[in-house]
Amino acid sequence: AQSVTQLDSHVSVSEGTPVLLRCNYSSSYSPSLFWYVQHPNKGLQLLLKYTSAATLVKGINGFEAEFKKSETSFHLTKPSAHMSDAAEYFCVVRSSNYQLIWGAGTKLIIKP
Amino acid sequence: DTGVSQNPRHKITKRGQNVTFRCDPISEHNRLYWYRQTLGQGPEFLTYFQNEAQLEKSRLLSDRFSAERPKGSFSTLEIQRTEQGDSAMYLCASSPAGSATDTQYFGPGTRLTVL
Repeated sequence: AQSVTQLDSHVSVSEGTPVLLRCNYSSSYSPSLFWYVQHPNKGLQLLLKYTSAATLVKGINGFEAEFKKSETSFHLTKPSAHMSDAAEYFCVVRSSNYQLIWGAGTKLIIKP
Repeated sequence: DTGVSQNPRHKITKRGQNVTFRCDPISEHNRLYWYRQTLGQGPEFLTYFQNEAQLEKSRLLSDRFSAERPKGSFSTLEIQRTEQGDSAMYLCASSPAGSATDTQYFGPGTRLTVL
């Protein structure tokens, strides 16, 4: 069975500094992995997805994630945080029957 | 195309009442999904349709929950005899069929409050 663990419930960084949101997954086969973002009072938006092509995936708004099979990780990074990045971020794995299995989320806080 | 829409955006009801939510997917998307999200948690899968066929419903939370997609376009989610524990955000998503890597696009959700 597939599962996802987001290692931090909250991450706080200063504006202009790098962002790292950690995600580990469990899957019995080559997974499809996603990061979604949810801004307050807004819908979930896809940031990026990994589907067994390039292991380094670039997404919107300067985010990227690297799939590391040996570490079963799919961490999300951004070189320089912006105030508008403050939101909740979800790491997601797709199950065999198209269900999305979601992590508990990481709230990203940006300090001015 | 304006994306996935959901109505109403907010619903307040009294315990024991029935409620129905509507989801209109992106027009060319065959698959439609329902999720529930409670505060501080990620969304929890409930059910999904391919066209009008409900292919997975074992995750519906109880027999008080039911979903339909009668013409393969919009879908409704009904909760009968609501309980306070049903208070949550109910999310709908849609995706095109045919690819194992298709992306699910989410609507803004319906926030249910059961008093």
